[in-house]
Amino acid sequence: DTAVSQTPKYLVTQMGNDKSIKCEQNLGHDTMYWYKQDSKKFLKIMFSYNNKELIINETVPNRFSPKSPDKAHLNLHINSLELGDSAVYFCASSQAGTRDEKLFFGSGTQLSVL
Amino acid sequence: AQSVTQLGSHVSVSEGALVLLRCNYSSSVPPYLFWYVQYPNQGLQLLLKYTTGATLVKGINGFEAEFKKSETSFHLTKPSAHMSDAAEYFCAVSKNTGFQKLVFGTGTRLLVSP
Repeated sequence: DTAVSQTPKYLVTQMGNDKSIKCEQNLGHDTMYWYKQDSKKFLKIMFSYNNKELIINETVPNRFSPKSPDKAHLNLHINSLELGDSAVYFCASSQAGTRDEKLFFGSGTQLSVL
Repeated sequence: AQSVTQLGSHVSVSEGALVLLRCNYSSSVPPYLFWYVQYPNQGLQLLLKYTTGATLVKGINGFEAEFKKSETSFHLTKPSAHMSDAAEYFCAVSKNTGFQKLVFGTGTRLLVSP
């Protein structure tokens, strides 16, 4: 069973469009994250939600809007896509405050904006 | 602010040779340090982490890392490389274990030749 799953795996779209990436975790974790990995493999946190509440927002443009309908889901909606948004987006989850806390990552969504 | 520097974007070794991937960190508070591995088209997986206690940390797949405060380093080693170790390796630092705001290095690609 996949622990953190995100869809779609590949997303190709035109500039100016609006798109969403979905993420679900079946680990029972209370914290979920979105990371962006650019073409140089640099990985940076974008958002973090704990129990459906936003706790980390790393100066991401407000065209990016995360939505957490419940603890197991954290979706990422992107408005007015730009060329610079092309990257691989990773969802992750963890159980905050546990002794053996670690991040579990999804397999990524490769977004290509043309 | 915290940061991580990984020396060498690519490291090439022969199968059976020692693997050494370098990571230096900067942190204003005692750091928590991590090594993650990313196989092609997959998300990141935790190899090992240091929080407190023993400075030599053993992880999965025969990897280990040593926290050296005096050198602000957390280098990753494996005595004998295997072909399956070929992947991208990321060092990361965070301030605490809650709501992990990991700051990643730029990654080191490990190439293993027969």
